[in-house]
This record gives sequence, structure tokens and C-alpha cells, in this order.
Amino acid sequence: SQQGEEDPQALSIQEGENATMNCSYKTSINNLQWYRQNSGRGLVHLILIRSNEREKHSGRLRVTLDTSKKSSSLLITASRAADTASYFCATDFNQAGTALIFGKGTTLSVSS
Amino acid sequence: EPEVTQTPSHQVTQMGQEVILRCVPISNHLYFYWYRQILGQKVEFLVSFYNNEISEKSEIFDDQFSVERPDGSNFTLKIRSTKLEDSAMYFCASSEAPKGGTDTQYFGPGTRLTVL
Repeated sequence: SQQGEEDPQALSIQEGENATMNCSYKTSINNLQWYRQNSGRGLVHLILIRSNEREKHSGRLRVTLDTSKKSSSLLITASRAADTASYFCATDFNQAGTALIFGKGTTLSVSS
Repeated sequence: EPEVTQTPSHQVTQMGQEVILRCVPISNHLYFYWYRQILGQKVEFLVSFYNNEISEKSEIFDDQFSVERPDGSNFTLKIRSTKLEDSAMYFCASSEAPKGGTDTQYFGPGTRLTVL
């Protein structure tokens, strides 16, 4: 099965700085998604990028996808304390299905 | 905004007991999922459900687990004989009919299951 692995495992920054998180996966995918999880809460969908897309923006979020390197990055610009959370990339559990397989996540801490 | 709801928020049970976790997916969604997250670990896929049958399942989803859509709104996960290692947060999710592969999934707030 596919597996996304995020890097770094933990990231601490100051408010206003940018945060970049990376994700690598093992085999071909249809889509890659990023989710956020606040401590002890459910996952919130942030952005979906399809395998034929290279870059996607949503507000302060920018996601890139490099299928040749099997990697993706999530950039959060002008971070805020409210961005403090864990961020997970998710890919296809298997290419023919709809289920997701998640990486271990990056824990982002933004201090004011 | 429509959301996925789950009950109960916290369930404590004795080892060997049966538990049923309940979910109400978003009403026009067609795909339903259960995931679990053991404390401090990543979110793991258990099972997906479409058109009243299981469409995918992981190795974790063995014979002690079952899912059901008993009516038009609820989606349940039953764990027949709980083990200590079943202690985890269980998330339900739903999605519209994907246009090719995976699509945005909407997650509920989770049920924390504690097996004593």
C-alpha cells in the first residue's frame, strides 16, 4: 500500500514566518491531500492536488506536487498561532479505491 | 455547514465486551469510512463502505470488526470482543462519489474508545 511520510516531524516557528512541510510517498497516486488535526480533534481537509497538477493555492496555503520525485510540499505563509496543529498528507490506500493512507504528520507549533 | 457527527464522544469498556460506535455521515455523501488513531500514532484506515457493502478494508479490519448502515442516516462500527490494543480514537468520514480515486473526505470529531 501507499504511504506518505512527512518531514520534518516537528517544526517550531514564530508568528509571521512561513512553514514548509514535505511529504514523500512510494508508488503512483491519483491524488494527494493535506489535512490538519488540532490536538485531540478530528481531521480537517485543507487541500487536494491531483496527479496531473503541479501546484495549488488556497488562501495562505500553497501545495506542490512532484510526481517524478513522489513528493509534495505544503507551505503556510504568514503563519498565525491558530495554525498550531498537526499536518498530515494522505494518498490513495490503493489506486483503484477511495480510502486514504496517512503519513505520521508534522507537528507545527507557532508562537506569538 | 453539514458535518459528520459521531456518538459517543468517549466510550469506556471492559476487555471482551462488544462496543458499537455510531456515525451520521453528511446526508448526500455516498462513501463512508472508519479510521482509527492510536494515541500518538498516525491515522490508520480500517474500512470503506459504498452501496451497502464493504468496498475496501485494511489488515486491521479483521473478523472482530463489522460495519453496518442500519438505516438511511447511521453508519456503525461494531467491535465484537474488545482488546486492550483496540483503545484508540475512531474517526468516521464520508465523501461524495469520487470523480476518480480519492476525494475530499469529511471527518467526524471522533470517538475515544478506552478498553480496560
